[in-house]
Amino acid sequence: AQTVTQSQPEMSVQEAETVTLSCTYDTSENNYYLFWYKQPPSRQMILVIRQEAYKQQNATENRFSVNFQKAAKSFSLKISDSQLGDTAMYFCAFLYSGNTPLVFGKGTRLSVIA
Amino acid sequence: GAVVSQHPSRVICKSGTSVKIECRSLDFQATTMFWYRQFPKQSLMLMATSNEGSKATYEQGVEKDKFLINHASLTLSTLTVTSAHPEDSSFYICSARGSESRHTQYFGPGTRLTVL
Repeated sequence: AQTVTQSQPEMSVQEAETVTLSCTYDTSENNYYLFWYKQPPSRQMILVIRQEAYKQQNATENRFSVNFQKAAKSFSLKISDSQLGDTAMYFCAFLYSGNTPLVFGKGTRLSVIA
Repeated sequence: GAVVSQHPSRVICKSGTSVKIECRSLDFQATTMFWYRQFPKQSLMLMATSNEGSKATYEQGVEKDKFLINHASLTLSTLTVTSAHPEDSSFYICSARGSESRHTQYFGPGTRLTVL
């Protein structure tokens, strides 16, 4: 069974600084998908970024980028120029394929400090 | 991104009554829908997976007769909490994935259920 580990329960960062959230996963599959979701205080889950395992290039979305290390089974999220609105719970998630459900990590609570 | 709506956003009911929560995919066809439960400051706990027109697959420990899931169309799934008790109070979130969504799951805004 696949597992996702987020080893940082809480983190904080100064506004405008850069922060990296870590995520590791365990799988024997070769083709899969990885995601970072953000859950702000409103509790709406918002997709931040996704990565297909077959792609070597790291995904980027504006201020958000990932460092995908397939051999190490690592998928960290870097947030540049942190903004107060980035304050949220961040969940790393793994998807094998088809109709299988997402496997979530336990989350990292990020606080951006003015 | 695709939009998933959920209704109601919050509901308060008396113990012993039933509550229905609706989940709709507004701009895509949801071939698979998921229902989650989330306790405060915790991750999402998958309750069940449903494919359109098929019976839902429940996770271990989730009572099928208490949490009735219907996925009758490609845009609508419902979760009915039957004979609700205070311990069923929680935040329930639906999620949907379509054939065109490139394996991405989109989430509804959630429903806060309080059972008195």
